Amino acid sequence: DTGVSQDPRHKITKRGQNVTFRCDPISEHNRLYWYRQTLGQGPEFLTYFQNEAQLEKSRLLSDRFSAERPKGSFSTLEIQRTEQGDSAMYLCASSSRAGSDTQYFGPGTRLTVL
Amino acid sequence: AQTVTQSQPEMSVQEAETVTLSCTYDTSESDYYLFWYKQPPSRQMILVIRQEAYKQQNATENRFSVNFQKAAKSFSLKISDSQLGDAAMYFCAYRRPGQFYFGTGTSLTVIP
Repeated sequence: DTGVSQDPRHKITKRGQNVTFRCDPISEHNRLYWYRQTLGQGPEFLTYFQNEAQLEKSRLLSDRFSAERPKGSFSTLEIQRTEQGDSAMYLCASSSRAGSDTQYFGPGTRLTVL
Repeated sequence: AQTVTQSQPEMSVQEAETVTLSCTYDTSESDYYLFWYKQPPSRQMILVIRQEAYKQQNATENRFSVNFQKAAKSFSLKISDSQLGDAAMYFCAYRRPGQFYFGTGTSLTVIP
């Protein structure tokens, strides 16, 4: 068990560019979550996968955001036409179906939009 | 709507003393889970303790324990024998199927 990993750890981009982040969950976990965290705030739920199915998506998520988990393993989060307001830490977490659905978090990807 | 409120943005405690962090939540559900997560500076979120709403017994993990008051929708975290390594941001979280909600966090400082 190597834990949840995220790549890249840091991303600096210019406004209007597209960015893609990757999350590799703990191998036996079938649930995967994406969150956004801004300075001084708690994580804000973005979307949730069970296996390859995207079961929940926050109403706060604009159409510029899309997430995939094509084979039920790793997931990608893409932001199109980035805006300065997208600057945040993007967290990924995974959990197993059984029990309390305790989430294990990755280190996050810090996005800075110039 | 489900919301989680942490009314203490900052707390401090002397090393080896006890501190309690408060959390309240709003829900109409009867079956849910509650969590406390710790986020050290520039490090990833770590689970501290969890509580199933159907259990009356308060959860305990070594120096960490909770006071779960279901009727009052209160879920406080007690840290005993505080250590320097406990300094971090602490988030209370509420979970019902497919949805997680986090509070805004309490920044804990441990004074040597």
